[in-house]
Amino acid sequence: DTGVSQDPRHKITKRGQNVTFRCDPISEHNRLYWYRQTLGQGPEFLTYFQNEAQLEKSRLLSDRFSAERPKGSFSTLEIQRTEQGDSAMYLCASSLEWDPRREQFFGPGTRLTVL
Amino acid sequence: AQTVTQSQPEMSVQEAETVTLSCTYDTSESDYYLFWYKQPPSRQMILVIRQEAYKQQNATENRFSVNFQKAAKSFSLKISDSQLGDAAMYFCANQGGSEKLVFGKGTKLTVNP
Repeated sequence: DTGVSQDPRHKITKRGQNVTFRCDPISEHNRLYWYRQTLGQGPEFLTYFQNEAQLEKSRLLSDRFSAERPKGSFSTLEIQRTEQGDSAMYLCASSLEWDPRREQFFGPGTRLTVL
Repeated sequence: AQTVTQSQPEMSVQEAETVTLSCTYDTSESDYYLFWYKQPPSRQMILVIRQEAYKQQNATENRFSVNFQKAAKSFSLKISDSQLGDAAMYFCANQGGSEKLVFGKGTKLTVNP
């Protein structure tokens, strides 16, 4: 068990460019979550998947954001036409649907800087 | 809507002493869970302790314990015998009616040797 991994760890881009982040959950976990954390704030929920189905999306997830989990394993989060306000740490987490502890395991995050 | 409030942006404690971090929450759900997560500097967030709202008994995990006051919607974290490795951001979170976690803004804990 190598934990939740995220790639890249850091991304610097220019305003207007598209970026894509990848998350690999713990292998047996069927739930996968995306959160965004800005400086001085707690993580804010963006969306979550159960297997390949996207079951909930936050209002924070504007039309420029899209997340996928095509085979129920890894997930990608794409941001189109990035804006400076998109600068944040993007956290991925995974969990097991039937875990009585309801624990979400977090990855190290991808820090996005939009210039 | 669920909200979580952590009123202490920063706290400090002497090594081996006890510290309590405060958290209040609001939810319309009758069935919910409360969590404390720890985020060490430049490291990933890990679960410290959890509490089911239907349980009256306060959760305990080694040096970490909670004081859950359901009527007051309060969920504080007590760290006993503080260690240097306890230095981190601590986030209180609520989960209810959905699988998402709703986090507070966090409390930065400093442990002084």
